[in-house]
Amino acid sequence: ETGVTQTPRHLVMGMTNKKSLKCEQHLGHNAMYWYKQSAKKPLELMFVYNFKEQTENNSVPSRFSPECPNSSHLFLHLHTLQPEDSALYLCASSHGQGAGEAFFGQGTRLTVV
Amino acid sequence: AQRVTQPEKLLSVFKGAPVELKCNYSYSGSPELFWYVQYSRQRLQLLLRHISRESIKGFTADLNKGETSFHLKKPFAQEEDSAMYYCALIERGSTLGRLYFGRGTQLTVWP
Repeated sequence: ETGVTQTPRHLVMGMTNKKSLKCEQHLGHNAMYWYKQSAKKPLELMFVYNFKEQTENNSVPSRFSPECPNSSHLFLHLHTLQPEDSALYLCASSHGQGAGEAFFGQGTRLTVV
Repeated sequence: AQRVTQPEKLLSVFKGAPVELKCNYSYSGSPELFWYVQYSRQRLQLLLRHISRESIKGFTADLNKGETSFHLKKPFAQEEDSAMYYCALIERGSTLGRLYFGRGTQLTVWP
């Protein structure tokens, strides 16, 4: 599949669970991002990776742990989440270097119970 | 600090009416501005960018540096324009394409 693919599309987890979100892109992009989209807030940038190196952690709690094994794959490991972490988590990629346009995945709808 | 402000959370117009989605930004440098759109059950995607000065699906947006605005306009709205619209900004010189988004405006076009 072309573009940015996120799995799973939906996830329900308990506060004591450990789960991971996956993002994959085959666009040849160098930069990948995790965004959080909540109902009452603007899109919040969480992490940025450029050439597999984390270049930004936007004050995200440690219960969210990103991993970028290569430029095509990005993970978000989740553990001991809180109900307020329930949101749509979006992955995006871009060429980086101020290229501007970001391509988004369809997101993972996370519900923490 | 909120760099991008979209004052209208909801906007409704009738088909064929003009529509304007407002966006104001706060940035001391020279920004790049974008409009992203999210149709129902589809992914967020780029609609247009100010540097291209293009019209996409009948939409245009002009960067007004004096008013620090980048309003999105369409003279005759269509039902298929109903979607969530996000204004976004990149700090020029950013090496990462790091986007700041507004809260979004939900546009509904009635038949």
